[in-house]
Amino acid sequence: EVQLVESGGTWVKPGGSLRLSCVASGFTFTNAWMSWVRQAPGKGLEWVSRIKTKTEGGPTDYAAPVKGRFTILRDDSENTVYLQMNSLKTEDTAVYYCTTDFILRLGYFDLWGRGTLVSVSS
Amino acid sequence: DVLMTQSPLSLPVTLGQPASISCRSSQSLVYSDGNTYLSWYQQRPGQSPRRLIYKVSNRESGVPDRFSGSGSGTDFTLKISRVEAEDVGVYYCMQGTHWPPGNTFGQGTKLEIK
Repeated sequence: EVQLVESGGTWVKPGGSLRLSCVASGFTFTNAWMSWVRQAPGKGLEWVSRIKTKTEGGPTDYAAPVKGRFTILRDDSENTVYLQMNSLKTEDTAVYYCTTDFILRLGYFDLWGRGTLVSVSS
Repeated sequence: DVLMTQSPLSLPVTLGQPASISCRSSQSLVYSDGNTYLSWYQQRPGQSPRRLIYKVSNRESGVPDRFSGSGSGTDFTLKISRVEAEDVGVYYCMQGTHWPPGNTFGQGTKLEIK
């Protein structure tokens, strides 16, 4: 089955750390650009981070609000992408979606997970 | 940084009638390779988003042909030729041309049935 399954979301105190995981199946993960997008409660979509393929050198990009605090990683042997979140702030509270929108040699390919909720509060 | 501005933010539509959503960017979205990286997403209530349109006017596989995208430069439009009940949700435009700041979404337009 073609899917993305996120996990790792939970409640954490401000200043804390959390690692989200996203396991992919049903497509060639090693060729996929993987991203995280978040949605604060009742708000719109906000892109967080992206990692390209190892073939391309695995470059990463981050949105300004998370740069320096979040790190995106991929483990192609496990078909998994991670989001390591440090120094969490209350404004990081959101549902975090794992998504892919492009696969090398295939082209545009849109797939989203169901999301995992991160709640940051004291 | 590039800003994406959608209008209207709320769109009541009668079933079977057309609908149109505008998206304007603060800078041209034409990339150096000649492509324009403007996409449209739909988020139905309680569901994850899904992409409808990429590179201005290319429909994703499985997206009904009543959805169409158009525009160029800084002005873009998503049109629904005849709104159906399943179209209720929030629609977002997103630019992928300017890095940084990276993919940037508009505020969203909530489509509801009158």
